[in-house]
Amino acid sequence: NAGVTQTPKFQVLKTGQSMTLQCAQDMNHEYMSWYRQDPGMGLRLIHYSVGAGITDQGEVPNGYNVSRSTTEDFPLRLLSAAPSQTSVYFCASRGTSLNTEAFFGQGTRLTVV
Amino acid sequence: AQRVTQPEKLLSVFKGAPVELKCNYSYSGSPELFWYVQYSRQRLQLLLRHISRESIKGFTADLNKGETSFHLKKPFAQEEDSAMYYCALSAGGTSYGKLTFGQGTILTVHP
Repeated sequence: NAGVTQTPKFQVLKTGQSMTLQCAQDMNHEYMSWYRQDPGMGLRLIHYSVGAGITDQGEVPNGYNVSRSTTEDFPLRLLSAAPSQTSVYFCASRGTSLNTEAFFGQGTRLTVV
Repeated sequence: AQRVTQPEKLLSVFKGAPVELKCNYSYSGSPELFWYVQYSRQRLQLLLRHISRESIKGFTADLNKGETSFHLKKPFAQEEDSAMYYCALSAGGTSYGKLTFGQGTILTVHP
């Protein structure tokens, strides 16, 4: 059971480049979300989805786009990378049943130079 | 809006000593509270949730609605407990899948 899978694990970008961080889950979870993890700031929500075709902004959405065309996939796009987007990115999913937990991917470590 | 505060960025204890990681929250409704643990450069894993009231790896946490706290405790720390610990809150409803995290506490257990 793969759970939540993120690719790539590491990435170095030049300022201004664009890229897509992939996230896939095989648990048929409705809720998916992207967080960024920065020292001293915990994890902050970037974008969020409650199901296919439905997305919403989180706390720090600027510079990022998302789409949810299927239940399984929730890619995060960096439109024009900036050094301030250097971070570790985590994707998470959660089912709709009560008392379920959120499952996290292994993270993508992104450096923008 | 909800908020989670973990006042200690770093916490160091010796093996066998008791440990308490503090977590305070602000939210006007009835939240779900969680503790997640992240071992060195690994994914976050659920440690505890307030609904289940269980003990995992010797850790317990009690939700105190009066003090709006959800502190994590273990009576005898082990070296393998060294990790980053995050307290998190879910507001429920349409925000069921969203988590609001505290800043995290790095726990180091010395031999």
